[in-house]
Amino acid sequence: EIVLTQSPGTLSLSPGERATLSCRASQSVSGNYLAWYQQKPGQAPRLLIFGASSRATGIPDRFSGSGSGTDFTLTISRLEPEDSAVYYCQQYGGSPLFTFGPGTKVEIK
Amino acid sequence: EVQLVESGGGLVQPGGSLRLSCAASGFPFGSSWMSWVRQAPGKGLEWVANIRLDGSEEYSVDSVKGRFTISRDNARDSLYLQMHSLRAEDTAVYYCAKVGGSGHFDYWGQGALVSVSS
Repeated sequence: EIVLTQSPGTLSLSPGERATLSCRASQSVSGNYLAWYQQKPGQAPRLLIFGASSRATGIPDRFSGSGSGTDFTLTISRLEPEDSAVYYCQQYGGSPLFTFGPGTKVEIK
Repeated sequence: EVQLVESGGGLVQPGGSLRLSCAASGFPFGSSWMSWVRQAPGKGLEWVANIRLDGSEEYSVDSVKGRFTISRDNARDSLYLQMHSLRAEDTAVYYCAKVGGSGHFDYWGQGALVSVSS
């Protein structure tokens, strides 16, 4: 079973600062099939990044993804107040077929 | 515009059954893998099941195998989740999601709340 671990659990930063979120897999993620989602309270998740580094349609370029194998990173280059949310990583292709990380909560001071 | 609209959620007693539906529009439904993903109150996301574009293959997480069945009707652009032998731990918001080419979920519905309680 592929387990995804996200760190930190909570990130508290000011507007304009850079946020770096980590997602580590217990085994190599095949094909770099790693995605990132943003979820705000009471809303469905929104796809940000797929294939480890491709931005989804309509996602601002301040969001970027990188990494391969077992270590992946979501970077928000300049935080905006509306970026306050929980961010999840997700892999495809392991066992179970899809798994999510536990999430990183980003708070804007 | 892609839209996924879930329905059928509600309160059910332990051991009971419920059927969720998801009406899709704005994309070629019959050409897309589809999934159900759930989120227990205050918790993270958990993939539940997915189904091939033509319905010929289905996969699910171990915790629901033998109890939940995913199905689809491409003529009606609809996805379903039939749930039997429901347990308290199945209480969650259930999201219908379209699966993209890299195994990501590119579109999500607004969710349907399923509460299992006596």
